[in-house]
Amino acid sequence: GAGVSQSPSNKVTEKGKDVELRCDPISGHTALYWYRQRLGQGLEFLIYFQGNSAPDKSGLPSDRFSAERTGESVSTLTIQRTQQEDSAVYLCASSLESHWSSYEQYFGPGTRLTVT
Amino acid sequence: AQTVTQSQPEMSVQEAETVTLSCTYDTSESDYYLFWYKQPPSRQMILVIRQEAYKQQNATENRFSVNFQKAAKSFSLKISDSQLGDAAMYFCAYRSGNDMRFGAGTRLTVKP
Repeated sequence: GAGVSQSPSNKVTEKGKDVELRCDPISGHTALYWYRQRLGQGLEFLIYFQGNSAPDKSGLPSDRFSAERTGESVSTLTIQRTQQEDSAVYLCASSLESHWSSYEQYFGPGTRLTVT
Repeated sequence: AQTVTQSQPEMSVQEAETVTLSCTYDTSESDYYLFWYKQPPSRQMILVIRQEAYKQQNATENRFSVNFQKAAKSFSLKISDSQLGDAAMYFCAYRSGNDMRFGAGTRLTVKP
């Protein structure tokens, strides 16, 4: 079956514009994560969706960032009024989790966002 | 807050040799999981190995093994018989509940 897919793979936008990044998780995976990876750095947790529970938004860096997920399917990460410091690779991962414990996260290839 | 530290930004190993990547973490939790992920230039993150904190036995996956020292909060990755395909960024990660944190990564170069 298909893995996690993300679109677009690359996005260049002007400062101040809004962008939407899309993530298609593996079918049947209940959990979905968004991460930000700045150049040369590790992954920074942004948001976590698990089934019908309220999402964990504790990692969102500002109110310009938001994310939605419809049921257990597609998720979109929206960044409003983009700033240059938003330039990064945004990674999505999904997981078959009925418990937080140990289920492996499957990552998408990421979207490289460049804000000029 | 839980932190994950990888003190080696870059490492190099000769093909067929063994290399160890270091990772330390800070937590007040007793139940957690530790992971090593590999990220090749394609950006695709791949799980290499996973360790449950409640298990004393070190995890092993083929050429990859860990040295988990819970009291010292250390979680190193050993790659035996290194291959050219092992060249990548390696990230150590910690998870407890919804809290998932990654180290800054170690870039591994494999010399032929």
